[in-house]
Amino acid sequence: GAGVSQSPSNKVTEKGKDVELRCDPISGHTALYWYRQSLGQGLEFLIYFQGNSAPDKSGLPSDRFSAERTGGSVSTLTIQRTQQEDSAVYLCASSLSAEFQETQYFGPGTRLLVL
Amino acid sequence: QKEVEQNSGPLSVPEGAIASLNCTYSDRGSQSFFWYRQYSGKSPELIMSIYSNGDKEDGRFTAQLNKASQYVSLLIRDSQPSDSATYLCAVNGAGYSTLTFGKGTMLLVSP
Repeated sequence: GAGVSQSPSNKVTEKGKDVELRCDPISGHTALYWYRQSLGQGLEFLIYFQGNSAPDKSGLPSDRFSAERTGGSVSTLTIQRTQQEDSAVYLCASSLSAEFQETQYFGPGTRLLVL
Repeated sequence: QKEVEQNSGPLSVPEGAIASLNCTYSDRGSQSFFWYRQYSGKSPELIMSIYSNGDKEDGRFTAQLNKASQYVSLLIRDSQPSDSATYLCAVNGAGYSTLTFGKGTMLLVSP
């Protein structure tokens, strides 16, 4: 079946502009996660959704970052007034539920470059 | 602060050898443990998951968990050049829904 999809695959933007990153989870997966991976760094948790609710937003680096999920499916991560330090690969993952033993399946990522 | 530690490597092994990748974690309440493989420029893909102390084998891969020592490892037998990648250890705990990842160990398998 179809895996997690993300768009765009690459995004180049100018400092100060807003960007929207989209994630389409595996069908039937109720939990959705956003991570960020900078060059040579590990995966940094940003936010997760169970259904349309976001119980844990603790990883969002600043109030310029926000995310929403509608219809228990597609999620959008928005970065306002982008900064050069926002340049990274943004990875989305989904799992059947948010139970701790569930496997998270990753999408291909969006590579964001802020000039 | 939950932490997951891995040696960054690179770990270099010849083709056909056993590669041993190690991971330690700080949260004693951790309940589930995952190994992901990440090729350069690609997203992580699950290799193994383990929840109980002991060994779990899947083909050429064996995951080992020791909760008392807060240690999890991944053994790759008969290593192939196609196994060259970064291996990420990820840990989750009961009551938590988010994985904590280590920074990964780069494995290089030479022909």
